[in-house]
Amino acid sequence: AQTVTQSQPEMSVQEAETVTLSCTYDTSESDYYLFWYKQPPSRQMILVIRQEAYKQQNATENRFSVNFQKAAKSFSLKISDSQLGDAAMYFCAYRRAAAGNKLTFGGGTRVLVKP
Amino acid sequence: DTEVTQTPKHLVMGMTNKKSLKCEQHMGHRAMYWYKQKAKKPPELMFVYSYEKLSINESVPSRFSPECPNSSLLNLHLHALQPEDSALYLCASSQRSLNTEAFFGQGTRLTVV
Repeated sequence: AQTVTQSQPEMSVQEAETVTLSCTYDTSESDYYLFWYKQPPSRQMILVIRQEAYKQQNATENRFSVNFQKAAKSFSLKISDSQLGDAAMYFCAYRRAAAGNKLTFGGGTRVLVKP
Repeated sequence: DTEVTQTPKHLVMGMTNKKSLKCEQHMGHRAMYWYKQKAKKPPELMFVYSYEKLSINESVPSRFSPECPNSSLLNLHLHALQPEDSALYLCASSQRSLNTEAFFGQGTRLTVV
């Protein structure tokens, strides 16, 4: 079974600074997708960024970027120029390519942004 | 329209009550999902519907009964729940193709008393 591990329960960052969230996963599959979702107090899970395992290039979405290390099964998220609105729970998620959209989530990392 | 709408936002029910949670999307997505999320925990998959047919049931107790009347609607019927079933229930949808992400609703906060 696939597992996703987020080792940092909580991270604090100063506004305008950079924070990196860690995620590791365990799988025997070669084709899969990785995601970072953000869940603010409004409760809605919002997709932040997506990475296809077959792509070597790291995904980037504005201030959000990932460091995808397939051999190490590592998928970290970097938030640059942190803003107060970035404060939320962040979940790393894994999905087998052949499994539809059955997501396996990590335990989550709470990000606090200090003004 | 990239919204998944869930109603109600909050629900308090007794253990003998019957209630339903509703989820609606108009993005043309053909896969819809129910997730359960306990406080400070990640979401856990309950059910997956693909083309209005139940494709995955993650060994969910029968007191939870999903229904997909059409491609835009997903219901979760609740009966004889236990206090430990209190949680946030999230609905999500996605296109059938495998390389697309799931869109989530804001959830229904359920309290069983």
